[in-house]
Amino acid sequence: YVLTQSPSVSVAPGQTARITCGGNNIGKKGVHWYQQKPGQAPQLVAFDDSDRPSWIPLRFSGSNSGNTATLTITGVEAEDEAVYYCQVWDSPTDHYVFGPGTEVSVL
Amino acid sequence: VQLVESGGGVVQPGRSLKLSCETSGFSFTSYAMHWVRQAPGKGLEWVAVISLNGDSEYYADSVKGRFTVSRDTVRSTLYLQMTSLTIADTAVYFCAKPGFGGYFFEDWGQGSLVTVSS
Repeated sequence: YVLTQSPSVSVAPGQTARITCGGNNIGKKGVHWYQQKPGQAPQLVAFDDSDRPSWIPLRFSGSNSGNTATLTITGVEAEDEAVYYCQVWDSPTDHYVFGPGTEVSVL
Repeated sequence: VQLVESGGGVVQPGRSLKLSCETSGFSFTSYAMHWVRQAPGKGLEWVAVISLNGDSEYYADSVKGRFTVSRDTVRSTLYLQMTSLTIADTAVYFCAKPGFGGYFFEDWGQGSLVTVSS
């Protein structure tokens, strides 16, 4: 199972960033999102399409339908600059798959 | 929750290395556990998972037959035995704990760097 992501997204502070993750019928899978800053381990920012860990700010939200899942950051802040990875569990193979990552730059 | 990897280092191609991940702060026997790696400047790659009681394991195709994941419930420690290492195995290796009943990674260690070089 293959996931696709745009390599980069640029957004001004306070604006909305939309990070997409493409896959065949991905809407039928649970999609999870991670944020990774340089030199750090990844951090979960959204799971099961649209749930958010309690420690993640409300400005992070997720959706998933058809062939595209989306992580939306509403009111981007400078600290949101990072690489974001989507991830799914591929049940036929029992493998876990990551997308290639999207680098979010805050202008 | 704390996950602390160790055992990384520089190793020659074809040699072996064993990574450890000491865990604390949660019920180790209640969770499957994973290894995920990241080559320098590259994205994340899932490597392996072991079931909560250790009776089943799954591996990425890139490491199947060369890597073995195991766990010690007494020591609450996860292991990754790596054999026949190649330059392509050079990466930071993270251990990761899933969310309860979920297919995602809720907690991560800080990573252990493995460099395969002659």
